[in-house]
Amino acid sequence: DIQMTQSPSSLSASVGDRVTITCRASQGISSWLAWYQQKPEKAPKSLIYAASTLQSGVPSRFSGSGSGTDFTLTISSLQPEDFATYYCQQYNTYPLTFGGGTKVEIK
Amino acid sequence: EVQLLESGGGLVQPGGSLRLSCAASGFTFSSYAMSWVRQAPGKGLEWVSAISGSGDNTYYADSVKGRFTISRDNSKNTLYLQMNSLRAEDTAIYYCVKHAGSTMTTRYSDYWGQGTLVTVSS
Repeated sequence: DIQMTQSPSSLSASVGDRVTITCRASQGISSWLAWYQQKPEKAPKSLIYAASTLQSGVPSRFSGSGSGTDFTLTISSLQPEDFATYYCQQYNTYPLTFGGGTKVEIK
Repeated sequence: EVQLLESGGGLVQPGGSLRLSCAASGFTFSSYAMSWVRQAPGKGLEWVSAISGSGDNTYYADSVKGRFTISRDNSKNTLYLQMNSLRAEDTAIYYCVKHAGSTMTTRYSDYWGQGTLVTVSS
């Protein structure tokens, strides 16, 4: 199985900060990586697929990059509604696997 | 508008069984693969199982293989998860998830249901 490792597991940031979350796959997955956002007590929401393609309706302050084994999710200017937990997921191979999550908290 | 409505969760004793259902609407159900993803209390996301649009192909996480069965009824636009031999560690919110398509490149999830809680406890 492909293991997905996210870092950091949590971070504190202020509104307006640039935030970067990393995700590493235990083997190459080309660009078959998705990012999801989950707010407390809510279902996850799709943000990015194919490593860098924004889902329809997702603000342009979100961006994704990477290929192979190393990927990043960047929020260029953190907004109050962005405080949430973020998960990466590889879909190169079954079983599909998620990273452990990164909780973005208010500083 | 895509809607995924899960049902069937509840409290069950260890070793018991439960069947989850997910009623789908707003898209051509048979054209899309579907998955179940779960989240234990306070924990991260865990993919459980997936099924192709036709239902011919199914996939499982090792943690549920042999105990859970995914199926679908395309005439009823409904996805199912039959869960047998339930364990305490199966306690979680179970989400019904629509894939973006039916191919390898579209295995990511574009819509999620609100989830149904399964609690395994004596």
